[in-house]
Amino acid sequence: KQEVTQIPAALSVPEGENLVLNCSFTDSAIYNLQWFRQDPGKGLTSLLLIQSSQREQTSGRLNASLDKSSGRSTLYIAASQPGDSATYLCAVKRLEYGNKLVFGAGTILRVKS
Amino acid sequence: GAVVSQHPSRVICKSGTSVKIECRSLDFQATTMFWYRQFPKKSLMLMATSNEGSKATYEQGVEKDKFLINHASLTLSTLTVTSAHPEDSSFYICSASPTPGSNQPQHFGDGTRLSIL
Repeated sequence: KQEVTQIPAALSVPEGENLVLNCSFTDSAIYNLQWFRQDPGKGLTSLLLIQSSQREQTSGRLNASLDKSSGRSTLYIAASQPGDSATYLCAVKRLEYGNKLVFGAGTILRVKS
Repeated sequence: GAVVSQHPSRVICKSGTSVKIECRSLDFQATTMFWYRQFPKKSLMLMATSNEGSKATYEQGVEKDKFLINHASLTLSTLTVTSAHPEDSSFYICSASPTPGSNQPQHFGDGTRLSIL
């Protein structure tokens, strides 16, 4: 059974810092990995999707890496801003599971101004 | 980009009431949609996979008679919480993808906050 773990559970940083969020998964036979952002009381916004054959994806100040063999992904946020404060979730997909996503519990990020 | 709309955003009702939540794909067709439940400060738990024109597939431990799913068209799936009780209070979110089985990202609705008094 696929399990996804995110560390840390919560993180508080001053504005301007670069930071790294971690995601690990137990079964390396994934199809892709997706990072999401969730604001309080809201749905999920897709940030980055990394295919199993890729090593990283970048969008603006965000960079996500994937090491499938070790079952790890990181989300790097450069020059953090208060508007980045949210919960960040990672999720993996395996086609054998009928396109279902398995989510981690998330990292609650607070960027202080 | 692909948009998923969920309605209503919030429901407060008395115990015993049945509540219907709608999930619509606004600019694409979705043969498959997913329904999740999220407890406070917890991750999303997949409840069921909604399949257009056929029965939904429920995850282990989810009561299909309690959580009725209907996917009558390629752009609409509904989740009905029947005879809701306080323990059903939660945040419910749906998702869909324009092309299931591909490397296209899942798109999520804004969720429905259900509160049963």
